[in-house]
Amino acid sequence: GENVEQHPSTLSVQEGDSAVIKCTYSDSASNYFPWYKQELGKGPQLIIDIRSNVGEKKDQRIAVTLNKTAKHFSLHITETQPEDSAVYFCAAANDYKLSFGAGTTVTVRA
Amino acid sequence: EAQVTQNPRYLITVTGKKLTVTCSQNMNHEYMSWYRQDPGLGLRQIYYSMNVEVTDKGDVPEGYKVSRKEKRNFPLILESPSPNQTSLYFCASSAAGINQPQHFGDGTRLSIL
Repeated sequence: GENVEQHPSTLSVQEGDSAVIKCTYSDSASNYFPWYKQELGKGPQLIIDIRSNVGEKKDQRIAVTLNKTAKHFSLHITETQPEDSAVYFCAAANDYKLSFGAGTTVTVRA
Repeated sequence: EAQVTQNPRYLITVTGKKLTVTCSQNMNHEYMSWYRQDPGLGLRQIYYSMNVEVTDKGDVPEGYKVSRKEKRNFPLILESPSPNQTSLYFCASSAAGINQPQHFGDGTRLSIL
């Protein structure tokens, strides 16, 4: 089955700096890679996603890159702000299964 | 407002006492699923439903039941809860399947004593 590994497990950055979270997956049939942000007491919320036919996608301060050959994908947050503090999950899906990474707790220091 | 609603949000109960966590979505979504979230393990899928009357096991289905009699509702049933089912549970829905954006509820924290 699919195995998604996520690193780092915790990340502390100074406000205004960039944050990068990396994930690897094992199933070459995976074709959809969403990223979710979870704030305290809330459910995960989709922030960006990418499909296997695209190498990079950007939405304002957030970007995701995908390397299908190496089976890894990354989330980049630029110009971090205090409201970016949260737990972030990567995930990989094929046509019938969605597997999540263990999560990264991001803390943005003012 | 488009949303997935779970009830209750918090529950403390005892081993063996049957409980049901309700989930309802107002987006007319075909696909619904249940996850449990445990520290260091991310979210693991318990059960999912592609449509009304169609349900299937996820990664960790043991000790759980579900039903999908109506499109909007997808209750999670613990017939005989045990302490290892203490966890944070999330219901999610999507328009059509697993490789589409999932909309999550705000979670139900269950403690089984």
